[in-house]
Amino acid sequence: QSVLSQPPSASGTPGERVTISCSGSNSNIGNSPVNWYQQRPGAAPKLLAYSTDQRPSGVPARFAGSKSGTSASLAISGLQSEDEARYYCATWDDNLKGPVFGGGTELTVL
Amino acid sequence: EVQLVQSGAEAKKPGESLTLSCKRSGVSFFSYWIGWVRQTPGKGLEWMGSIYPGDSDTRYSPSFKGQVIISVDMSISTAYLHWSALKASDSGLFYCVSSRSSWSIFDFWGQGTLVTAS
Repeated sequence: QSVLSQPPSASGTPGERVTISCSGSNSNIGNSPVNWYQQRPGAAPKLLAYSTDQRPSGVPARFAGSKSGTSASLAISGLQSEDEARYYCATWDDNLKGPVFGGGTELTVL
Repeated sequence: EVQLVQSGAEAKKPGESLTLSCKRSGVSFFSYWIGWVRQTPGKGLEWMGSIYPGDSDTRYSPSFKGQVIISVDMSISTAYLHWSALKASDSGLFYCVSSRSSWSIFDFWGQGTLVTAS
């Protein structure tokens, strides 16, 4: 069982906006910025967003991270078929004294 | 562009030793953290530990401390993950990760190394 909780699955149609949630506690999300990783089938994870709302170079602006209290969200607007992947949230945990991951959310583009 | 190239898949028996390697290029090897993340169907992604090659400062997850050793060889820009005696529960897909701004943000990932201990 992961320290951070994510819904196991999400879905949307092309062009739609979907949101993936990530729930934690005061010892992790409540106290630290959140990062998001995208893992396409058969590939290694890729950093999608960091420090809650920052995007690495090359990541489209339609991926937007946010945080409120002990929860974080990744919003994907203008959904595309290539967005079909598993999405993981991650942050620092004060108890573990290291980074922790959510269990991942499998996004299906219908 | 940072590249992380990992060693190939391994099939081992419990009790055997194993060392995985990860060669980093495209960035100063000394100046950025490099670490390891395990992925399993049951536990998902787990950070195992990270090392700063410049001074060998090493951080381990409590779950992996004492179970593995992370080290580097700066002369060949390579990081290692070592087990002295594998257990079946050590099986998984292991990713080498490189951190740019903060050692807890994994900017770049290797291709992964599958370890099967049975």
